[in-house]
Amino acid sequence: ETGVTQTPRHLVMGMTNKKSLKCEQHLGHNAMYWYKQSAKKPLELMFVYSLEERVENNSVPSRFSPECPNSSHLFLHLHTLQPEDSALYLCASSQGTGQGYEQYFGPGTRLTVT
Amino acid sequence: AQSVTQLDSHVSVSEGTPVLLRCNYSSSYSPSLFWYVQHPNKGLQLLLKYTSAATLVKGINGFEAEFKKSETSFHLTKPSAHMSDAAEYFCVVSVNAGNNRKLIWGLGTSLAVNP
Repeated sequence: ETGVTQTPRHLVMGMTNKKSLKCEQHLGHNAMYWYKQSAKKPLELMFVYSLEERVENNSVPSRFSPECPNSSHLFLHLHTLQPEDSALYLCASSQGTGQGYEQYFGPGTRLTVT
Repeated sequence: AQSVTQLDSHVSVSEGTPVLLRCNYSSSYSPSLFWYVQHPNKGLQLLLKYTSAATLVKGINGFEAEFKKSETSFHLTKPSAHMSDAAEYFCVVSVNAGNNRKLIWGLGTSLAVNP
């Protein structure tokens, strides 16, 4: 595996379910990110982890719970979601969190909440 | 306030003709600038980046962009479009915000390439 991988690629869940999204980066980076991509909206940064420590949480509802057990893995735990949470969830990683560091993205998980 | 404006939400070109995707930014600081591409059902891929070195930046797949500070622009160009270039393109500004870095994403430009 190379780059950034995400599983599952597609997920359909009911509002009462609990599920988790997984992200793994094979680039030796030390920062990881969760984004939400919805139609007609700019990409929304949800969480940032640097050296396994959460450094940014952009007012995300508590029904989204991130976990970063090590610098290569990032999870997003989901529970009691709402239909408006349906979106493409993208994971990214970067070498650092400074201004010039580009982010490398995974293919995303297409989430549908019914 | 920092912002990014992609001036066209949709651009349609014929195969073999030039591509121009326009991006203007507003920033109080010297920014880093990126262009990303997203093909259908795929993640975002970095095309190129500007980080205060040469103002003309060459990227992958024949794309390039020129940073023009006087015009606060970072337009993406390609001399000859290929069918495989059909995708969504995002202009991104990276600015320092205190001790943190902030990425500001444009809304995207959908590029269609006609045979």
